Amino acid sequence: DARVTQTPRHKVTEMGQEVTMRCQPILGHNTVFWYRQTMMQGLELLAYFRNRAPLDDSGMPKDRFSAEMPDATLATLKIQPSEPRDSAVYFCASAPWEGNIQYFGAGTRLSVL
Amino acid sequence: GDSVTQMEGPVTLSEEAFLTINCTYTATGYPSLFWYVQYPGEGLQLLLKATKADDKGSNKGFEATYRKETTSFHLEKGSVQVSDSAVYFCALSDLTGGSYIPTFGRGTSLIVHP
Repeated sequence: DARVTQTPRHKVTEMGQEVTMRCQPILGHNTVFWYRQTMMQGLELLAYFRNRAPLDDSGMPKDRFSAEMPDATLATLKIQPSEPRDSAVYFCASAPWEGNIQYFGAGTRLSVL
Repeated sequence: GDSVTQMEGPVTLSEEAFLTINCTYTATGYPSLFWYVQYPGEGLQLLLKATKADDKGSNKGFEATYRKETTSFHLEKGSVQVSDSAVYFCALSDLTGGSYIPTFGRGTSLIVHP
């Protein structure tokens, strides 16, 4: 049963620290998304990759956030330095092709103290 | 830009009641429409989808019809169960600038009491 795997599931860190979240998309999926979910803002699209190339990261604060796909089996989202307002659940999703069903990971719950 | 508007929750129902969660959208193109469900502590998962006007998506007793004339994709279920308690997201995927940008609604929480 193929699934999107995210690590870590939970992360507690102090303000100013670097945070790295990882995602293993489903093998063969060519599209990968990063989302942030909060009670106030709902689900926000942060970044979007097609065949490992970034297509849209307009939803991401560029000064502290960065997203990459070093290879087809790994996507990363980094925050440096982290701030308390970054506390949220971060989801990765992959899709077999654009416009199609997205398969979500279980999320990384980030708390920045 | 594209947008999805869902009715605000929470929606609270008794078991076996009829469910409707309204969803309307605005899109520049001809989008595909989706309903996703999120159970506590989990990621979103697809519930159903429709790709063209008048298509009806259905799954696990839930249904939604793609209405282009009213730009709507309302979710319905004839008899809800306690296990249907979750957050439901309406979403679209539209071709914009050469890419299919997904857009999600804010989500509607459903609480079903025994």
